Amino acid sequence: DAKTTQPNSMESNEEEPVHLPCNHSTISGTDYIHWYRQLPSQGPEYVIHGLTSNVNNRMASLAIAEDRKSSTLILHRATLRDAAVYYCILMGGAQKLVFGQGTRLTINP
Amino acid sequence: NAGVTQTPKFQVLKTGQSMTLQCAQDMNHEYMSWYRQDPGMGLRLIHYSVGAGITDQGEVPNGYNVSRSTTEDFPLRLLSAAPSQTSVYFCASSYSNPGQTPSTDTQYFGPGTRLTVL
Repeated sequence: DAKTTQPNSMESNEEEPVHLPCNHSTISGTDYIHWYRQLPSQGPEYVIHGLTSNVNNRMASLAIAEDRKSSTLILHRATLRDAAVYYCILMGGAQKLVFGQGTRLTINP
Repeated sequence: NAGVTQTPKFQVLKTGQSMTLQCAQDMNHEYMSWYRQDPGMGLRLIHYSVGAGITDQGEVPNGYNVSRSTTEDFPLRLLSAAPSQTSVYFCASSYSNPGQTPSTDTQYFGPGTRLTVL
């Protein structure tokens, strides 16, 4: 399975934008980039996904590099409720999600 | 829809005991899976199923059994509990196999079962 690399932790302030990076240099042409997040004491929840083009939804934006070897999850105005572990996952031919350790995001009031 | 439900929420077992963790979904999803999450770690796949009657092993299957007799239910059985199986267990489901191309399906996770084996 193609691997992703994320920083272990990041910190930001409430109501400021947050950019969470993910490197995936071995991504294949058919792999989709998915982001999930896990709030404290809860199961993971879907955030956003994309293939080549940048994507927006009500939760976040996903910016994908032109060579697809990296991507960035953007939270436009972080709130305290966005404090979570964020996972960047590649989904392609394998019949399973592979979760790394993710990035623990702390939001300061 | 209730989504993905798991029971029990908490369980304490003694070494050697067996038990079944229950998982059910009411979204008519074909794909279901079980993960474990140890403290400070990401999720690791135990077993998965692409439909009723079909199951396969994930990354860490030893010590666990699964079966899928209906679309809705996917129980996870611990055969003889060991302290190394102390973990939080998550069940997940999706409409289709996440490995299919295009891989656009999203996974829905249950709230988890916190298991302690003494």
